[in-house]
Parts: sequence; structure tokens; C-alpha cells
Amino acid sequence: GNSVTQMEGPVTLSEEAFLTINCTYTATGYPSLFWYVQYPGEGLQLLLKATKADDKGSNKGFEATYRKETTSFHLEKGSVQVSDSAVYFCGTAGTSYGKLTFGQGTILTVHP
Amino acid sequence: DADVTQTPRNRITKTGKRIMLECSQTKGHDRMYWYRQDPGLGLRLIYYSFDVKDINKGEISDGYSVSRQAQAKFSLSLESAIPNQTALYFCATSDSPGNTQYFGPGTRLTVL
Repeated sequence: GNSVTQMEGPVTLSEEAFLTINCTYTATGYPSLFWYVQYPGEGLQLLLKATKADDKGSNKGFEATYRKETTSFHLEKGSVQVSDSAVYFCGTAGTSYGKLTFGQGTILTVHP
Repeated sequence: DADVTQTPRNRITKTGKRIMLECSQTKGHDRMYWYRQDPGLGLRLIYYSFDVKDINKGEISDGYSVSRQAQAKFSLSLESAIPNQTALYFCATSDSPGNTQYFGPGTRLTVL
């Protein structure tokens, strides 16, 4: 089955710093790739996604590019804000029944 | 109103008790999922359903059962709760494999 490995956290940054959270996956075929974000006390919500190789997902200043050759989908943001403090999950979707396989999550804390 | 709702939001119970967690959605999606979140483990799939007549086990279904009462409702039961079922439980919906899953706010369950 699919598996996802995320950069271990927690990650602590100052406001306006550059963010990278690494994500690599193993899967058969070409699964869709996702980043979900979980704010304190809330459920997960989709941050961005990519459905095929070389696609770039982007939202709210975050970006991630589907790299088939390195099986990676790293999340980046050029200038983080305090409001970006949350837990970030990388995931893949299996094509057979849509099951999402998640990484373990990365806690991001941004200080003013 | 939220598209995916879960009740209760918090529950404390004792070992051996039967517990039901409920999920309702207004998105009109056929696919519904139950996940469990534990610190450092990401989310793991318990059960999923493609429609009211289709129920499937996920990767950690032991000790759990589900009921799909209608397209909009999907309940998770713990027949005899045990302490290692203490976790955060999420319901999610999707309209097709590989598409975005929409999550409820979660139910925090504590088994004493």
C-alpha cells in the first residue's frame, strides 16, 4: 500500500521566515498528492493538491510540486505568519477507493 | 452551517461501555470515512463506505463497527471501549476517489 514520510517536527520559525516541510511517498501508479492543515481545535482542511507529475498546487502563499522522479511533494512558503501555526499533513490518495494515507503530521509554530 | 458535523465533540467514558459517534454531511457525497488520530501517527483509516449498501474495513477496524443509515449519515461504534481507543476521531466525505476529502471537526474520546 501507499506510505508517506514527513519531516519530523516540531518546526519553530519567526514571522516572515521561509518554510519548507519535506514529504516523500511510496505508491503504485500515480496517486494524487495533498497537503492538509489542522488548526488548533479543528478538523483537517485541504490546503493544496496536485494530481499528476510536475503539477504545482498552491494556496494562501503555500506551494508544493509533484516530483515523480524523487517521489516528493515538499511544502514551501516564502514568508510565514503567526496565523500559519498549525499541524500540516501530507497525504496520498489511492486510486482504488480513495483512501487517504497520511504522514505523521508536522507541528509548525510561528513566533512574532 | 458546517458541511460535515460530528456528535458528540467530546466524550469521556469507562472501559467496557458501548459508545456511538455520529457523523452527518450535507455535501451530497456518496463516500464517507472514519479516521482515528493519535499523536505522532497521523490519521489511520478505520472504516469507509461508498454508499448505504457498501461498508469496508480500513487498516484498524478491530474493536469498531459502523452503520451507514443514509447517504448523509455514518456512525462509528465502539462495542466495548478500552483505554487504547482514547483518540481523536474524524469523519470525512468525498465524491470520488482521488478527490478532496472534507473533514468534520472531530470527536475527542477518552476511555478511562
